[in-house]
Amino acid sequence: ILNVEQSPQSLHVQEGDSTNFTCSFPSSNFYALHWYRWETAKSPEALFVMTLNGDEKKKGRISATLNTKEGYSYLYIKGSQPEDSATYLCASRLNSGGSNYKLTFGKGTLLTVNP
Amino acid sequence: GAGVSQSPRYKVAKRGQDVALRCDPISGHVSLFWYQQALGQGPEFLTYFQNEAQLDKSGLPSDRFFAERPEGSVSTLKIQRTQQEDSAVYLCASSLVQGVRTEAFFGQGTRLTVV
Repeated sequence: ILNVEQSPQSLHVQEGDSTNFTCSFPSSNFYALHWYRWETAKSPEALFVMTLNGDEKKKGRISATLNTKEGYSYLYIKGSQPEDSATYLCASRLNSGGSNYKLTFGKGTLLTVNP
Repeated sequence: GAGVSQSPRYKVAKRGQDVALRCDPISGHVSLFWYQQALGQGPEFLTYFQNEAQLDKSGLPSDRFFAERPEGSVSTLKIQRTQQEDSAVYLCASSLVQGVRTEAFFGQGTRLTVV
């Protein structure tokens, strides 16, 4: 994997459903993995930053896991609500060439939660 | 304000016109980034400042793009002789000193449309 890839591109779920998305990223020179939530007309909001293989993070109904050896992260939303509707972006940082500050983003997963 | 502020929120430019996009980072944030998000893509890195020093401009697509942060606070991204392919959302982000778990805080972006 050379780029950050996210799947699915979009997702429609019913209120109360649980859902999950995938982020694949380069495992070589891994430094950190970020998840952001971006609602229309707002700023991207930081959800998690994860650095260690096996990391699990939780914020309310949202959680994320990280596998740095195989280069993937999952984001889970339990009991989706309409206010969870947003684009979820993941971004990796590599420890390469002294540019570990640089976020490389996937294209995002657009989640729509229907009431 | 408490967050990163960008202006204008929307800009329509005629092809060939020069534009200037402004970013007010969070007070005290040392690092400042510009990203470009074209339609259907994830945000892509343009440039990075640490205080007033532009440490990385490797992502600027051409010499028509210029960024500055003269006093280590407000930053301006200037695009000369705009082209249709410059149409995108331009995101600014700021953060405290860089570390592995450092989060970048994003503004709402400026949507540039070149007609």
